[in-house]
Amino acid sequence: GQQVMQIPQYQHVQEGEDFTTYCNSSTTLSNIQWYKQRPGGHPVFLIQLVKSGEVKKQKRLTFQFGEAKKNSSLHITATQTTDVGTYFCAGRGLGGADGLTFGKGTHLIIQP
Amino acid sequence: EAQVTQNPRYLITVTGKKLTVTCSQNMNHEYMSWYRQDPGLGLRQIYYSMNVEVTDKGDVPEGYKVSRKEKRNFPLILESPSPNQTSLYFCASSFVPSTEAFFGQGTRLTVV
Repeated sequence: GQQVMQIPQYQHVQEGEDFTTYCNSSTTLSNIQWYKQRPGGHPVFLIQLVKSGEVKKQKRLTFQFGEAKKNSSLHITATQTTDVGTYFCAGRGLGGADGLTFGKGTHLIIQP
Repeated sequence: EAQVTQNPRYLITVTGKKLTVTCSQNMNHEYMSWYRQDPGLGLRQIYYSMNVEVTDKGDVPEGYKVSRKEKRNFPLILESPSPNQTSLYFCASSFVPSTEAFFGQGTRLTVV
C-alpha cells in the first residue's frame, strides 16, 4: 500500500532559526495536505497542494509539491515559540476512494 | 460553529468490556474517518466512510467496528477492547476524501 515517509522525526531549533520538514511518498499523489498539531491538541489543516511543482506561502511558511508529485516540504522561516508542535503531511493516491495516508510527523521543539 | 465532536474525551476501561466512542459533525460532510495516534507511529486510519451505509477498512481495522446510519454520526465500536488498543483516537470529516479534514478533539482511551 501507499506509504508516506516524513523526516526528521524531531527537530530542535533556536528561536529565530529556520525549520524544514520533508515528506516522500512511495507512489504518485493526487494531492498533499499539511496539518499542524499543537501539544495536547488535534491536527489542524494548514494547506493543500495539488499541482506538480506548486509552491504556496502562508506568512513565514512555504509549502512545496515536487515535480513528480511524490514529495513535498514545509519550510518555516525565523521560527517563533508559537510554531511549536507536530507537523504532518498527508497524501492521497491517484484515482482511488481511499482517504489520506499520514506521515509520522515532525516534532518541532523551539528553544528560546 | 463548524465542528467535529467526539465523546468521551477520556475513557479508562477494562479488557473485554464493549465501548463506543461517538463522533458527530455539523458540516454535512460526506466523508468521515477514524484514526488512532500512537507515539512514533503518527496517525493511522482505522475505518472510513464515503457516505451513509458505506464504510471501509483503513490500515489498522482489526478489533474495531463502525457504522454510518446517519450522515452526521460515525461511531467507533470496540466489541472487546484489549490493552493494545490503548491510544489517542481522532475522528475526522471532510466534504470528500481529497479536501480539508476537520478533526475532533480526540479521545484518550486506556484499556487495563
